[in-house]
Amino acid sequence: QSALTQPASVSGSPGQSITISCTGTSSDVGGYDYVSWYQQHPGKAPKCIIYDVRNRPSGVSNRFSGSKSGNTASLTISGLQAEDEADYYCSSYTSSTTVIFGGGTKLTVL
Amino acid sequence: QLQLQESGPGLVKPSETLSLTCTVSGGSISSRSHYWGWIRQPPGKGLEWIGSIYYSGGTYYSPSLKSRVTISVDTSKNQFSLKLSSVTAADTAVYYCARHFRPSSAVLSWIDPWGQGTLVTVSS
Repeated sequence: QSALTQPASVSGSPGQSITISCTGTSSDVGGYDYVSWYQQHPGKAPKCIIYDVRNRPSGVSNRFSGSKSGNTASLTISGLQAEDEADYYCSSYTSSTTVIFGGGTKLTVL
Repeated sequence: QLQLQESGPGLVKPSETLSLTCTVSGGSISSRSHYWGWIRQPPGKGLEWIGSIYYSGGTYYSPSLKSRVTISVDTSKNQFSLKLSSVTAADTAVYYCARHFRPSSAVLSWIDPWGQGTLVTVSS
């Protein structure tokens, strides 16, 4: 199984909004609403910020939102802040009863 | 608050078996609502799911690693373990243990929390 496709990098200025895409197939992203997103700061473990396409775990800022259309899921960060600079990974459950991650996107806050 | 902690050798020789244990504290590994998994991250690269286990012993593995991976659970110790055989330099990575949410049978959903990770280097 190939990794989900994410842009290698995105950037934005403080206060702006950015969107990160995550493209899979009908056997993963398109077939199930079990898409999640993770934020990882350097040297730290990943942290879930979106689960089941659009839900936020307790304590996660409402500046983070998720959506899905067909085989592509998206993470939007609004009101960009310096602390949002990190790597972001999407993940999906698959029809083979496995989990697949995206290649990761490095977010730079200008 | 649930916490997970990886433990095991930080250096493994090529062709040998990598062995790690994850100790779960602040909650029971025998939860019917969760799976327990291993994920790794080579230095400077992305995340790779290795496999996951249910408290009763049912396992799911990455197709690319399935021939070399064994994940087991010890409910009496609230621990689960990873064994990866015939390692090479390509297996050098930070290894994370984590909890999956299980919305229904045989469905591996979101992952939270994660352990802090442990770096395993494969080198002679």
